[in-house]
Amino acid sequence: ETGVTQTPRHLVMGMTNKKSLKCEQHLGHNAMYWYKQSAKKPLELMFVYSLEERVENNSVPSRFSPECPNSSHLFLHLHTLQPEDSALYLCASSQGKQAYEQYFGPGTRLTVT
Amino acid sequence: TQLLEQSPQFLSIQEGENLTVYCNSSSVFSSLQWYRQEPGEGPVLLVTVVTGGEVKKLKRLTFQFGDARKDSSLHITAAQPGDTGLYLCAGAGRSNDYKLSFGAGTTVTVRA
Repeated sequence: ETGVTQTPRHLVMGMTNKKSLKCEQHLGHNAMYWYKQSAKKPLELMFVYSLEERVENNSVPSRFSPECPNSSHLFLHLHTLQPEDSALYLCASSQGKQAYEQYFGPGTRLTVT
Repeated sequence: TQLLEQSPQFLSIQEGENLTVYCNSSSVFSSLQWYRQEPGEGPVLLVTVVTGGEVKKLKRLTFQFGDARKDSSLHITAAQPGDTGLYLCAGAGRSNDYKLSFGAGTTVTVRA
């Protein structure tokens, strides 16, 4: 595997389900990000981890819970989501001082029914 | 939050034509990135510009950073169907900041 991978690519879940999104980066980077992409809206930064510590939490509802067990892996745990949470969830990674050059995974298309 | 406005929102042109996409803000950025996103995929980094007035070329794509580092443009010469996609600009407020402010994107369609 190369670059940034995400699984699953598609997920349909009910509002009472619990699921997790997984991201893995193979670039040796030390920062990882979760973004939400909704139609016709700019990408919304959700969480940032640097050296496995959360450095940014952009007022995201507690039904989204991130986990970064090491510098290569990032999870987003989901529970009791709402239909408006349906979106493309993108993971990205970057290295050190060049944090602005972010490399994205293919995303997970989430549908909440 | 530093807002980035992209224009136009949609652009449909014939193969071989030229096009320009704009990215504007009232804020100053330490760097600006352009990404292209194809349907069902994540954004792919095309270029980073960091110096006011900088011009970078990537084959048929020309990127320019405004002198005041508040705006940028992307020009495609002789567009091809493979250039079709969502073009996103993103700005970094400080060189060591992890945050990127993204524009809403310009959807470009190049017809064969």
